[in-house]
Amino acid sequence: DAGVTQSPTHLIKTRGQQVTLRCSPKSGHDTVSWYQQALGQGPQFIFQYYEEEERQRGNFPDRFSGHQFPNYSSELNVNALLLGDSALYLCASSLLGQANEQYFGPGTRLTVT
Amino acid sequence: GNSVTQMEGPVTLSEEAFLTINCTYTATGYPSLFWYVQYPGEGLQLLLKATKADDKGSNKGFEATYRKETTSFHLEKGSVQVSDSAVYFCALSRSSSASKIIFGSGTRLSIRP
Repeated sequence: DAGVTQSPTHLIKTRGQQVTLRCSPKSGHDTVSWYQQALGQGPQFIFQYYEEEERQRGNFPDRFSGHQFPNYSSELNVNALLLGDSALYLCASSLLGQANEQYFGPGTRLTVT
Repeated sequence: GNSVTQMEGPVTLSEEAFLTINCTYTATGYPSLFWYVQYPGEGLQLLLKATKADDKGSNKGFEATYRKETTSFHLEKGSVQVSDSAVYFCALSRSSSASKIIFGSGTRLSIRP
């Protein structure tokens, strides 16, 4: 049973560029959440997708957007990258309404230069 | 608002020592409480959880008790091993049906042989 998978593992981008990160949820899960973890900090909630719609959003600018596909996989897009966007981006999957059972992927390390 | 405060690290102990990592929270209502662990180069793993007052979560020799009167959820282990070296995050969700998990800033634990 595959757990949560994310791609790519690492990514280097330049300021002003755009990036897309991908996540496949654990088998049987229908809800995907994205978190940003800056170096030395705890993860911060970006948003959550269910039934291909954004269900809840944290305190992140509109440069951060997402999408969920019919197979429940998800993408996180970040436009106009800033140096401060450098972080580990974590995807978590669950069944709707079960935050107690969120399973995290290994993350994508984004470096903005 | 809802928040988690945990003891700052790094914490360095000798193998077989007793471990306590303090965690306190601020939340309305009755949140669910978690400890997550992040091993070097890996994503987050749920270590243990408690969903109501006086519940004790336990896993791999680690324990934490949900104390509503002191709004605390301290992590303890009687005898640590080198393999316990990792970053530990205390976290909460407002309820079992909430979307997001709110994390503390993490405590880095290093165990000397």
